[in-house]
Amino acid sequence: GAVVSQHPSRVICKSGTSVKIECRSLDFQATTMFWYRQFPKKSLMLMATSNEGSKATYEQGVEKDKFLINHASLTLSTLTVTSAHPEDSSFYICSAIIPGDREKLFFGSGTQLSVL
Amino acid sequence: DQQVKQNSPSLSVQEGRISILNCDYTNSMFDYFLWYKKYPAEGPTFLISISSIKDKNEDGRFTVFLNKSAKHLSLHIVPSQPGDSAVYFCAASVGNTPLVFGKGTRLSVIA
Repeated sequence: GAVVSQHPSRVICKSGTSVKIECRSLDFQATTMFWYRQFPKKSLMLMATSNEGSKATYEQGVEKDKFLINHASLTLSTLTVTSAHPEDSSFYICSAIIPGDREKLFFGSGTQLSVL
Repeated sequence: DQQVKQNSPSLSVQEGRISILNCDYTNSMFDYFLWYKKYPAEGPTFLISISSIKDKNEDGRFTVFLNKSAKHLSLHIVPSQPGDSAVYFCAASVGNTPLVFGKGTRLSVIA
């Protein structure tokens, strides 16, 4: 089946540094990818929708200058957390859909970000 | 304002018995519902879905029931197995808009 690869799985960084998370669709072309954030005991919160070749669409309350999303190719989207702070510590998950197949939302394995 | 609600944060079930996970929604425009299963430190995996034109969909041990008038859906797992222990997310969408997830229910199947 289709696979979405997310890297790194875990990152610990100092406050003020930037962290880049990669999301790759391994065996299909993903024109649209989604970035979610999950707080402990909370739902998956959609952060932004990433479309290949265009600017990402951010959900209300998500700072686009802080969470930079780049979807430069049909198989790669990146999320960069800039100037990370402890409150940015969270579990970030990307997902991708196969065009035309509504049911097939595939998730990456997630990235646990801990900002010290 | 949470459009998809899973009011039970956790559920414990004996192995072999039925697990029933519930989900309520407020948006009557939702026309597609899905259940995802999530293990710790992993991304969710798709389990089963149902369109609003149906009231039941079955796949092996998993059955999803949809009650549109009550804006309620449930996932039944029969028989429950220890490997089913995970967090289950209910999700819904309208057309091709992104999924809206519930907070999840942690299922523990006790051997």
